Amino acid sequence: DVVLTQFPLSLPVPLGQPASISCRSSQSLVNGDGGTYLTWHHQRPGQPPRRLIYDVSHRDSGVPDRFSGSGSDSDFTLRISSVEAEDVGVYYCMQFTHWPHTFGQGTNLEIK
Amino acid sequence: EVQLAESGGDLVQPGGSLRLSCVGSGFTFSVFWMNWVRQVPGKGLEWVANISPDGSMKRCVDSVRGRCSVSRDNAGNSLFLHLNTLRAEDTAIYYCLAWGTSAYWGQGTLVTVSS
Repeated sequence: DVVLTQFPLSLPVPLGQPASISCRSSQSLVNGDGGTYLTWHHQRPGQPPRRLIYDVSHRDSGVPDRFSGSGSDSDFTLRISSVEAEDVGVYYCMQFTHWPHTFGQGTNLEIK
Repeated sequence: EVQLAESGGDLVQPGGSLRLSCVGSGFTFSVFWMNWVRQVPGKGLEWVANISPDGSMKRCVDSVRGRCSVSRDNAGNSLFLHLNTLRAEDTAIYYCLAWGTSAYWGQGTLVTVSS
């Protein structure tokens, strides 16, 4: 199975400051069709996850533009340009290039 | 408004079986890949199974293979997961997830396997 390793696992950030989460894959996530199927999800406490980013860098509808995704092959990053209170929770990267689809361990973002 | 509503979670004895259901509304259910993802409370996420829009392709992960059956009824906007020979490690919140150019998560249903 593809292992996704996130760093850091805990991320205290002051309000208004930027944040960055890394996700590294044990295999290339480039599919045979040329696509790279890496996504990011956010889970607030007590809530189901919500997808933020698909195909590395495309924001889902309604996702604020302070969120951005980048990367290629097996190295990816989620950035928040200016952290707001509603951004607390756990962020997961997830790949669906390979079966089984897998998630990273999660990064817990808290307000410092 | 898009909604996915899971049901069927329960307290089940080891070795027992369970059928989970998920009903979708507010989107075109029949064009989405549908998935089951589970989460041990307080822990990470694990993909369990998925099924193609027309139901012709379906897969379960190794940890539940042989004990898992996933199906859908597009006329009723419904997704199903049948798990048998349940083990303590199957205890989790089970989420229904619609996947496409948009993605929709349900609220989850709790399955507890314990004697």
